[in-house]
Amino acid sequence: AQKVTQAQTEISVVEKEDVTLDCVYETRDTTYYLFWYKQPPSGELVFLIRRNSFDEQNEISGRYSWNFQKSTSSFNFTITASQVVDSAVYFCALTAYGQNFVFGPGTRLSVLP
Amino acid sequence: EPEVTQTPSHQVTQMGQEVILRCVPISNHLYFYWYRQILGQKVEFLVSFYNNEISEKSEIFDDQFSVERPDGSNFTLKIRSTKLEDSAMYFCASNIGRGQPQHFGDGTRLSIL
Repeated sequence: AQKVTQAQTEISVVEKEDVTLDCVYETRDTTYYLFWYKQPPSGELVFLIRRNSFDEQNEISGRYSWNFQKSTSSFNFTITASQVVDSAVYFCALTAYGQNFVFGPGTRLSVLP
Repeated sequence: EPEVTQTPSHQVTQMGQEVILRCVPISNHLYFYWYRQILGQKVEFLVSFYNNEISEKSEIFDDQFSVERPDGSNFTLKIRSTKLEDSAMYFCASNIGRGQPQHFGDGTRLSIL
């Protein structure tokens, strides 16, 4: 069975602070894909990133970076120099080939001015 | 950029009534999905659809639910006899293949009175 855990229910930071959102996953499949989605207060789900299980290279996109570590089954997401517009619920998700998305419970990030 | 569109954005229905939620997936996508998100909770998988048939469904997707692709563009979710606990945000998603990012519509907020 697949499972995604996001232990941090809510995080509050002050603008310009760095923040890391944790994601731990479980799967027995050797081929799988990990995702992060952002859900701003307006409610839509916005795709941020996809990684496959064979690519452990970390990725940076502007103020966003992702750290994928198979050894600890983690796929953490860091926002550098956070901004108020980063306030949202962030979901980590997992799918193995031929299976459907499993979402984590989400982490609500509040960035205070 | 192509996007998934959902209508209506908000649907209010009396308990026991039938409701149809509509989605237009991205045109070259082959897989279609419905998810449900009860207020403040995580995104839950309902059903996936490929090649004009259901490929997987969750325990939530009982006999009250059905999906249909009535033409080449629309993908609908029907709830036959709504219950209070069906109140939620319903998201449609599509992707081009398994393991690829799912692109979500903005959701339909369903309120059952």
